[in-house]
Amino acid sequence: GENVEQHPSTLSVQEGDSAVIKCTYSDSASNYFPWYKQELGKRPQLIIDIRSNVGEKKDQRIAVTLNKTAKHFSLHITETQPEDSAVYFCAASLMEYGNKLVFGAGTILRVKS
Amino acid sequence: ETGVTQTPRHLVMGMTNKKSLKCEQHLGHNAMYWYKQSAKKPLELMFVYNFKEQTENNSVPSRFSPECPNSSHLFLHLHTLQPEDSALYLCASSQDSQSYEQYFGPGTRLTVT
Repeated sequence: GENVEQHPSTLSVQEGDSAVIKCTYSDSASNYFPWYKQELGKRPQLIIDIRSNVGEKKDQRIAVTLNKTAKHFSLHITETQPEDSAVYFCAASLMEYGNKLVFGAGTILRVKS
Repeated sequence: ETGVTQTPRHLVMGMTNKKSLKCEQHLGHNAMYWYKQSAKKPLELMFVYNFKEQTENNSVPSRFSPECPNSSHLFLHLHTLQPEDSALYLCASSQDSQSYEQYFGPGTRLTVT
């Protein structure tokens, strides 16, 4: 089955700097890659996703890139702000069999002001 | 924030107790999911229901028994749990099992003593 590795486990950046979180997946058939943000004590929420027919997607300060050949995808946050501090989870799924997400272990992002 | 609700929010139970977790979604969705979130581990998919039919049981021990009486409600019946079952149990829903975005509830923090 699918296995998703996520790095780093913790990341501290200065406000205004960029943050990059990387994930690798094992099943080359996976075709959907979402990123969820979970603030302390709150529920995970989808912030951006990418499908396998696209190499990059951007939404304001957040972007995701996908390298299908290398089986890795990354989350890029630019101009980080204190409210970006949270746990970020990547996930992978093969949508043809239903959206059964396999999650990475999460990255704790701390933005220092 | 009220699209997916879970009760109770916190639960402490002994290993011989029987309890149930409840999830309700007010989004008109047809797919519902149970996840387990343990400290420092990835979110683990437990069960998937699509139009009230169970479509995924991710090798979950039989001491966890799901029930989906209708598309809006999902239960997780618990009996003879182990201390290692202590975790945050998250419910999620999506339009159907082929839909991309999953909406999470706030979770039930379960402690097994």
